Amino acid sequence: DAGITQSPRHKVTETGTPVTLRCHQTENHRYMYWYRQDPGHGLRLIHYSYGVKDTDKGEVSDGYSVSRSKTEDFLLTLESATSSQTSVYFCAISGATGRPEAFFGQGTRLTVV
Amino acid sequence: GIQVEQSPPDLILQEGANSTLRCNFSDSVNNLQWFHQNPWGQLINLFYIPSGTKQNGRLSATTVATERYSLLYISSSQTTDSGVYFCAVEAGSYQLTFGKGTKLSVIP
Repeated sequence: DAGITQSPRHKVTETGTPVTLRCHQTENHRYMYWYRQDPGHGLRLIHYSYGVKDTDKGEVSDGYSVSRSKTEDFLLTLESATSSQTSVYFCAISGATGRPEAFFGQGTRLTVV
Repeated sequence: GIQVEQSPPDLILQEGANSTLRCNFSDSVNNLQWFHQNPWGQLINLFYIPSGTKQNGRLSATTVATERYSLLYISSSQTTDSGVYFCAVEAGSYQLTFGKGTKLSVIP
């Protein structure tokens, strides 16, 4: 168990509303990632963090922002949700001492109606 | 950015058969990992293997970094091996980039 949890697990929201997804880890991993998974596209990187307050954009960052104010938490915000952001969102962590592997959360299924 | 291609995209096996999944990448990497996504959507790390060979039970993996490919071997496949297998690489920018996966179906 890599000590990573995502919340919420499921969410339905209306177009135009803000949405925040939370990723929480308990094992002091340095790197945290947000991916979205859509049929035919595999896993695409949205944003990632390489330390507290250190974040950068991934392949599909438009419409998303992130924050990491402490090691344990990485928040993904959709400022104004659109139907194209309906997806399954995964958080991943890596970089704990002696543990180079990446570990994934259970995923959040987001539906924008 | 780095490109990751996996083959085949789909694979159907009879239970007990062996298989080889391939991952090609377009640039030098310092991190390569294999993941299995089960039918319930959970992603499990199988191997961290930037180079060399590793084995874990019926699964083994080999990465030839100089030739920019990695192979995942599954022997004596079982129905519980079904799912999607992903290869992911990182080339020095902290970004872990995934291929589109190989969907494996093992039938009894």
